[in-house]
Amino acid sequence: GAGVSQSPSNKVTEKGKDVELRCDPISGHTALYWYRQSLGQGLEFLIYFQGNSAPDKSGLPSDRFSAERTGGSVSTLTIQRTQQEDSAVYLCASSRTFDTQYFGPGTRLTVL
Amino acid sequence: SQKIEQNSEALNIQEGKTATLTCNYTNYSPAYLQWYRQDPGRGPVFLLLIRENEKEKRKERLKVTFDTTLKQSLFHITASQPADSATYLCALLAGGTSYGKLTFGQGTILTVHP
Repeated sequence: GAGVSQSPSNKVTEKGKDVELRCDPISGHTALYWYRQSLGQGLEFLIYFQGNSAPDKSGLPSDRFSAERTGGSVSTLTIQRTQQEDSAVYLCASSRTFDTQYFGPGTRLTVL
Repeated sequence: SQKIEQNSEALNIQEGKTATLTCNYTNYSPAYLQWYRQDPGRGPVFLLLIRENEKEKRKERLKVTFDTTLKQSLFHITASQPADSATYLCALLAGGTSYGKLTFGQGTILTVHP
């Protein structure tokens, strides 16, 4: 079946602009996660959604970052007033149970 | 503070040998530990999960051990092949967390030479 998809695959933006990154999870997966991976670094947890519960936003680095998940499916991560340090690969994952996360290919964000 | 360390940034071995990767953690009481593989330009792919009450788990040429006293997991690839070359990530789910908020190590880049 179809895996997790993310769009765009690459995004180049100018400092100060807003960007939106999209994630389509695997159908039927109730949990959705966003991570950030900077060059040579491990994955940094940002936020996760579980069903209709309030999202766990504890990993968001600043109030410029926000995410929503509409209808329990598609999620959008928004970064406002982008900064150069926001440049990274943003990865989305979904899961049906707590033990295995399925990752998308990521969106590479470059802030000039 | 909580910390996960994979003790090698890079590991180079010859084809056919066993690769052993290490993941150490501090100030965690993990419910379980996972290993993922990541190829360049792709998202991580789940390989194995081991729970806190398990000592060892195997899957084909892969073996994971988990020592909660030493706070360490070892990940072995036997009869390694050049196709095993990738970055391997360990990830912890802390005990008491109801869903999969994983914390990842920084990864070890494995290169298997023909």
